[in-house]
Amino acid sequence: SAVISQKPSRDICQRGTSLTIQCQVDSQVTMMFWYRQQPGQSLTLIATANQGSEATYESGFVIDKFPISRPNLTFSTLTVSNMSPEDSSIYLCSVEGSSGSYDEQFFGPGTRLTVL
Amino acid sequence: GENVEQHPSTLSVQEGDSAVIKCTYSDSASNYFPWYKQELGKRPQLIIDIRSNVGEKKDQRIAVTLNKTAKHFSLHITETQPEDSAVYFCAASYLAGGTSYGKLTFGQGTILTVHP
Repeated sequence: SAVISQKPSRDICQRGTSLTIQCQVDSQVTMMFWYRQQPGQSLTLIATANQGSEATYESGFVIDKFPISRPNLTFSTLTVSNMSPEDSSIYLCSVEGSSGSYDEQFFGPGTRLTVL
Repeated sequence: GENVEQHPSTLSVQEGDSAVIKCTYSDSASNYFPWYKQELGKRPQLIIDIRSNVGEKKDQRIAVTLNKTAKHFSLHITETQPEDSAVYFCAASYLAGGTSYGKLTFGQGTILTVHP
């Protein structure tokens, strides 16, 4: 299985500012995914980050608002830019890892963001 | 793109009873269907998954069934226990060879409460 850590675990930010969330994995992985989970809601994919290429964003998410870096096979960052209260969510990264015979997606612990 | 509908949104059962959560998906190309359990304040964790080449999979008290023709799959929990109380999410993905799952599209979630 993959061990994933995220920093920060939580933060309270002022509107108009930006926050960069870090995701670190204990093994090299090809694809990393960033999800958003709004309060009481399901998980929505923001983008897929492959090392060495631009991130692929899902409908409704744009690079200017959520720039992503993927400098190597164990690390990625997601920035939430020019924040508003609507950005208050839990942000989770996930990776594919091996668990026995098959791969599965493992999630990081999440970053709980509150925007005032 | 893929759309996953999940029902019911809340489910309350007595300890020892069975619980069933149902999901439907829209994209007939989807071939991988995981179920995640998310406890309060925790990350989602995979509890069982099924691939489209089988119709049913069991793991102790939990089982998943898949009907490809009708494009729906269900989670069955037998002999429920209070520690089964959590939010359960179904998801769908397209596995294009190898073991890379790519992005997951999640259902809306089911809050399961098991009363002692």
